[in-house]
Amino acid sequence: DTAVSQTPKYLVTQMGNDKSIKCEQNLGHDTMYWYKQDSKKFLKIMFSYNNKELIINETVPNRFSPKSPDKAHLNLHINSLELGDSAVYFCASSQRGAPTYGYTFGSGTRLTVV
Amino acid sequence: AQSVTQPDIHITVSEGASLELRCNYSYGATPYLFWYVQSPGQGLQLLLKYFSGDTLVQGIKGFEAEFKRSQSSFNLRKPSVHWSDAAEYFCAVERGSNYKLTFGKGTLLTVNP
Repeated sequence: DTAVSQTPKYLVTQMGNDKSIKCEQNLGHDTMYWYKQDSKKFLKIMFSYNNKELIINETVPNRFSPKSPDKAHLNLHINSLELGDSAVYFCASSQRGAPTYGYTFGSGTRLTVV
Repeated sequence: AQSVTQPDIHITVSEGASLELRCNYSYGATPYLFWYVQSPGQGLQLLLKYFSGDTLVQGIKGFEAEFKRSQSSFNLRKPSVHWSDAAEYFCAVERGSNYKLTFGKGTLLTVNP
C-alpha cells in the first residue's frame, strides 16, 4: 500500500485552465503539506493542514487553493494556470508533535503548463 | 529566519570512494535535522534524522551524519559509494510551532563507474 499517494502523476494543460491535484495518506498522520519543486530542484512549502485546519500558508498566489476534507486527504486546486506554475508538486504528511520524526512524501505530480 | 545551506551544487565521486555532503544551518537553537534523497523522477525518501543525544546518527542505505553544534553543521557521509546512490540529496531543518520543514537547495551526486 502506498503511504502517500498523489494523482495524477503527470498533468499537461494549457494556460488559463483550472486543474486539481489530489493527495491521500493512509499513515494515520494528522498533518499534510503541499510543496513546490521548481526546475532548479528547490523545494518550497506552500500550505499545511493539521486536522483539516490551515496552519501554514506561505506567500502563494491566491489562484492556489488547498482543501482538506478530512485529515487523510489534501487537495490543491489551481485557477487560471500560468506558465510559471510548471513544476513538480509534492504532497507530504507527518504526525504533529515535538518533533515530527520526519515527513513522508508522495511521488509528486509533474505539472506542465503550455 | 532559519536557513539551510548546502555549499556543493554537484559532486562527482567514483564508485567505491567515500562521500561527504555538507550542510550548514542558521538558527538560534538546535533545530531538528534531516537528510532526504530524491532519485530521478521519484519523491523524497528520509535517510536519517537528528533530534538530540548522540551526535553521530545512522540512517538507511549505509549513510551516517554527524551533528556539530560548534560549526552549525550536519554533514552526510558514506564510506563506500555505490552507483545506485546517484541522486539529489537534500538537507532539511524543522523548527517552530508549526514544525515547518525547510530544505537546502540540494546536492546532485554523480557516481562514476
